[in-house]
Amino acid sequence: GEDVEQSLFLSVREGDSSVINCTYTDSSSTYLYWYKQEPGAGLQLLTYIFSNMDMKQDQRLTVLLNKKDKHLSLRIADTQTGDSAIYFCADYSGGGADGLTFGKGTHLIIQP
Amino acid sequence: DTGVSQDPRHKITKRGQNVTFRCDPISEHNRLYWYRQTLGQGPEFLTYFQNEAQLEKSRLLSDRFSAERPKGSFSTLEIQRTEQGDSAMYLCASSQLTDGYTFGSGTRLTVV
Repeated sequence: GEDVEQSLFLSVREGDSSVINCTYTDSSSTYLYWYKQEPGAGLQLLTYIFSNMDMKQDQRLTVLLNKKDKHLSLRIADTQTGDSAIYFCADYSGGGADGLTFGKGTHLIIQP
Repeated sequence: DTGVSQDPRHKITKRGQNVTFRCDPISEHNRLYWYRQTLGQGPEFLTYFQNEAQLEKSRLLSDRFSAERPKGSFSTLEIQRTEQGDSAMYLCASSQLTDGYTFGSGTRLTVV
């Protein structure tokens, strides 16, 4: 079945860029999403990219998509302590029925 | 409209009891999803409504689980004869199309 894989942890220094990586297996994915989850909270949509795009930038966030390798990344520029959270990659294959398939999430740890 | 609302935020119940959760989606969203998230995992799809029609149910949704969306607005998720393995965060999301699912803050269920 479909699978979305992420590294479990990423540690970066405050002010550096964070790059969170994700791989997926479903070649029919049409949309790919990045969500942020803070402790005890629901998921906040950060950004998404349509599968016919290879890059999307939104303020400090840059999403890169390599459809050939089924690899998605989220770059957070000038990482701040408020960026500390779990980041989930998710894909959607269309058809409207199956919802999103999520990875297990990457814990972003910010070092002062 | 302030987003997707879920009630209650927390529920502690004894094993074998029934519980019901409510989700109020964003009013103009016709799609509503239920997900379950256990510790250290990403959310897993449970079921999906388009308006009042339940169009898809995951194999994770056992016979003890039932969801309704009677008027195409709010939805309820009921779990009968709860088991300890049902302890999780239950997340509701809504969307208009596929341009981003908005999640609620979730209902955390603890079965003791």
